[in-house]
Amino acid sequence: SYELTQPPSVSVSPGQTASITCSGDELGDKYACWYQQKPGQSPVLVIYQDTKRPSGIPERFSGSNSGNTATLTISGTQALDEADYYCQAWDSSTAVFGGGTKVTVL
Amino acid sequence: QVQLQESGPGLVKPSQTLSLTCTVSGGSISTDFYYWSWIRQHPGKGLEWIGYIHYSGSTHYNPSLKSLVTISVDTSKNQFSLKLSSVTAADTAVYYCARGYYDILTGSGAFDIWGQGTMVTVSS
Repeated sequence: SYELTQPPSVSVSPGQTASITCSGDELGDKYACWYQQKPGQSPVLVIYQDTKRPSGIPERFSGSNSGNTATLTISGTQALDEADYYCQAWDSSTAVFGGGTKVTVL
Repeated sequence: QVQLQESGPGLVKPSQTLSLTCTVSGGSISTDFYYWSWIRQHPGKGLEWIGYIHYSGSTHYNPSLKSLVTISVDTSKNQFSLKLSSVTAADTAVYYCARGYYDILTGSGAFDIWGQGTMVTVSS
């Protein structure tokens, strides 16, 4: 079965850039999306189709996908961006999630 | 705006069937573009997709759960439902329903609206 791998944690200072990677076999040939989940809340879609932001998602969230790696970048990270982030892609009509990355804003 | 709300028992006995319903409000479930999914999250763990249904009745399930899962739709009530049979403690999780789209030709898809989630505990 297809697998997506994320680092368990990423730390970033306020105002700096956080990069979260998601690795999968030939992931660049698929579309990746990203979700933000804060404690006790439902996930929120922040990036879809590799690079697109849903309405209401701040411009500081951006995405890319090439080769075997998709990346979510948070520019000018704010304290309210502290959350778990999950990547997701489709493989053979099956939705696959990465294991999640906890972003800590120090 | 479209909202989703899960409902069902919070406690299920081992070997029994877990049954949940998702009610869609603020929009129709009978739209060609969207697929309606169940996703679960074990305590302190990541997200696991269970399966989806289209209003036409077309379904697709996670291969790892396929033999135990049934997802159905009731368009007259604007609801879709999950049944997971022969549950064990490993099925204890928060269960989310979500609206998503999926283009089989391009492989593009995402879950853009989620319910608040409902905790289901499997215990005797």
